[in-house]
Formats: sequence, structure tokens, C-alpha cells
Amino acid sequence: DIQMTQSPATLSASVGDRVTITCRASQSISSWLAWYQQKPGKAPKLLIYKASSLESGVPPRFSGDGSGTDFTLTISSLQPDDFATYSCHQYNSFPYTFGQGTKLDIK
Amino acid sequence: QLQLQESGPGLVKPSETLSLTCTVSGGSISSSSNYWGWIRQPPGKGLEWIGNIYYSGNTYYNPSLKSRVTISVDTSNNHFSLKLSSVTAADTAVYYCARMVSSDAFDVWGQGTMVTVSS
Repeated sequence: DIQMTQSPATLSASVGDRVTITCRASQSISSWLAWYQQKPGKAPKLLIYKASSLESGVPPRFSGDGSGTDFTLTISSLQPDDFATYSCHQYNSFPYTFGQGTKLDIK
Repeated sequence: QLQLQESGPGLVKPSETLSLTCTVSGGSISSSSNYWGWIRQPPGKGLEWIGNIYYSGNTYYNPSLKSRVTISVDTSNNHFSLKLSSVTAADTAVYYCARMVSSDAFDVWGQGTMVTVSS
């Protein structure tokens, strides 16, 4: 199985900050990586697919980058609605796997 | 607008079979570009992929669960289902159904349903 390792596990930031979350795959997954946002009691919401493609309706302050094994999700200017948990997901090969999640909270 | 809705018992006894259904509305489950998946999330933990099914019935399972999982599709009723046998407390989780378009990320999710395994 491909292991997905996210860092940091928790990130404290303020409104207006620029933040970056990292996801590392245990082997190359090309660009078959997605990022999801999840709020308590809610289903995950797709933000980014194919490593850097912005899902329709997602604000452009979200961006993704990377290929192979190293990926990043960047939020250019944090808004109050962005405090949530973010997870990466590889769908290069079965079994699909997810990172353990990064909780973004208010400093 | 495509919507997914999970349904099934919220409480299952140990050693029994967990059965859930995902009803698809606002679109056809038989669309050739769509794959349908089940994902679960134990309380306070990360997401775990259970398996996918294509409308034709082709299935792909997580090897860690493969001996206990069956995913099936009912095109006439526009839904797909999950069965997980011999459940234990470790199977307690929120279970989500979701859609993948052309094998490209899960873009539409159900709201999730909490299943507790307990006697």
C-alpha cells in the first residue's frame, strides 16, 4: 500500500495568514492526488484534484502543487471559514489511501 | 445536481453483517464515466477507502477488508450497497458513499452515516 504522510498534524494560524500543508507519498503517484476539506460532523469536500486542478466552486485562494511523491496545499490568505481539517488522498493505485489529516485551527 | 444518501442500521451487533445502501439522485448510476465508492472514518481518525464499483459491476476492494466486503450495484433502483461481514468494534465508523468521475477523485459525497458495532 502507498502510505500518505501529512505534516504538520496540527497548524495554528490567523485570519489573513498564508499556510502550506505538505503530503508525502511512500512511492511515486504521478499527479494522482486530491485534497479535501472536512469540518466536524460533515463529509469531506473536494478542493483540489490531479495535484493542482481547482475543483469548480472552490475559491482561488486554495492551490495545490507537486508531483511524484511530494505535494503541497496552500491557502494564500486564510478566511474564517477555512479552519477545518485537510486530508490528502492518492488515487494512483489500489488500495486508495488517505493522509491522516491536518487540523488547521485559530491561533 | 447529483446527490448521494446513505441509509441503513446505526447499530450492528458484533459478528453480524453491516449493510448500507447509497441512493443516487439527480443523475444515473449507469453513467459510463462514474465509479462509486465507500469510504469510512472511525471516530477521531482518518479516512479509509473500502472499495469502488463500476455500474457494470466491476469491483475493487481494499485488501485489508476484502475477505469481508461485498459492494453491489442496482441500476434499476439507482443505488449501490455495502455489506461488511463479521463486524467488530473496530468497524465502528462514519460510513460515506461517494462518486469518482473517470477515476479522478471523489467529487460528490453523501452526508455519512454513523454505524456503531456493539452488543
